[in-house]
Amino acid sequence: GQNIDQPTEMTATEGAIVQINCTYQTSGFNGLFWYQQHAGEAPTFLSYNVLDGLEEKGRFSSFLSRSKGYSYLLLKELQMKDSASYLCAVYMFSGGYNKLIFGAGTRLAVHP
Amino acid sequence: GAVVSQHPSWVICKSGTSVKIECRSLDFQATTMFWYRQFPKQSLMLMATSNEGSKATYEQGVEKDKFLINHASLTLSTLTVTSAHPEDSSFYICSARVASGSTYNEQFFGPGTRLTVL
Repeated sequence: GQNIDQPTEMTATEGAIVQINCTYQTSGFNGLFWYQQHAGEAPTFLSYNVLDGLEEKGRFSSFLSRSKGYSYLLLKELQMKDSASYLCAVYMFSGGYNKLIFGAGTRLAVHP
Repeated sequence: GAVVSQHPSWVICKSGTSVKIECRSLDFQATTMFWYRQFPKQSLMLMATSNEGSKATYEQGVEKDKFLINHASLTLSTLTVTSAHPEDSSFYICSARVASGSTYNEQFFGPGTRLTVL
């Protein structure tokens, strides 16, 4: 089976740094994605990790440890527009196909 | 980047009717498309994987006779919700994976279709 866990909600202050954690237990691991989703909209791609380590892209960074089944998304210099849900998704090979399985998402509220 | 469109953006229908949702990859070919359903304040749940020219593979618990998927070309997949009921009201999102030349297995998401069944 598969299990992807992330906190349900987080709050942070504008200008601060926030780290959203994700732990997973899956078979056939082929990489981990982070997506941002605003209410009523489709997810937008933030990052992809397939090897251990940190991937940095502007204000967003993502880390992966395959041995620990652990990833985090780091958001720096938070802005009000960063208030959204952040979805951790594991790319896994199952049933003969590669498929993207999502965690429940973390709703981030950024306050002034 | 690659663009995926969905039509319609939203639809309201009466209970018992069928609704068809289209998913198109506009500037790339997609051998594989995925259909997700998202209830309010919940995450995306994979319903089925659609491969061009073959039958869709449904996830456990998804009724294949109720959610008909057709992937007739490399740029179009359709999801038909048959005999829709109020509990089928949800946000349906499709995604497409680039057929070849992708540096990694990125999926591009459509804007979603909000279905409301009265």
